[in-house]
Amino acid sequence: AQKITQTQPGMFVQEKEAVTLDCTYDTSDQSYGLFWYKQPSSGEMIFLIYQGSYDEQNATEGRYSLNFQKARKSANLVISASQLGDSAMYFCAMREGIQGAQKLVFGQGTRLTINP
Amino acid sequence: SAVISQKPSRDICQRGTSLTIQCQVDSQVTMMFWYRQQPGQSLTLIATANQGSEATYESGFVIDKFPISRPNLTFSTLTVSNMSPEDSSIYLCSVEQPRTLKGLGTGIVYTFGSGTRLTVV
Repeated sequence: AQKITQTQPGMFVQEKEAVTLDCTYDTSDQSYGLFWYKQPSSGEMIFLIYQGSYDEQNATEGRYSLNFQKARKSANLVISASQLGDSAMYFCAMREGIQGAQKLVFGQGTRLTINP
Repeated sequence: SAVISQKPSRDICQRGTSLTIQCQVDSQVTMMFWYRQQPGQSLTLIATANQGSEATYESGFVIDKFPISRPNLTFSTLTVSNMSPEDSSIYLCSVEQPRTLKGLGTGIVYTFGSGTRLTVV
């Protein structure tokens, strides 16, 4: 079963608009972490934001915020005031458990295109 | 945050040959992770490498095809052996590290190398 689901293969947004990238997850663990990464065409993976399962407040990092709805098992990324440089692939990922070799499981990604 | 130097950044290789990818971290880390990203796909974990022990491989990946070395706490290599065109992918190494997160104190995040774009012809 897919652990991380990103239902939007592609998104097109006008510059300066806000955009929401969807992510739902599936886990039976009580302790887990959710991540968003940006991958430009160069291929590098850039960490954007993290939300822990016990964090009561939604995470924010600059123009990025994470809309965490635990009961719905969703962790949507919100980018405010989008810029041309935000055009990239965006991956949602989950880390399960608190002990042992934790690893990240990635969703299929959303390709975001910002139009001028 | 840790800086990871990954080499080579790209290569074009003949089928049947092998390529060794290196990752050097500027600080000591317990675990290093190797991922494969096939064209147009997401990242898939190949294996987890601890210093001083054999790497732990994920389902579908075997040591004969993807041997990994981890000689110390700052360095690891991944070899792609007996390559075929199906091995054409981006390969990325990753490490766990503590990082100050706004409003949350210190958390563990994953930092990635810049990736190796491999084309097998």
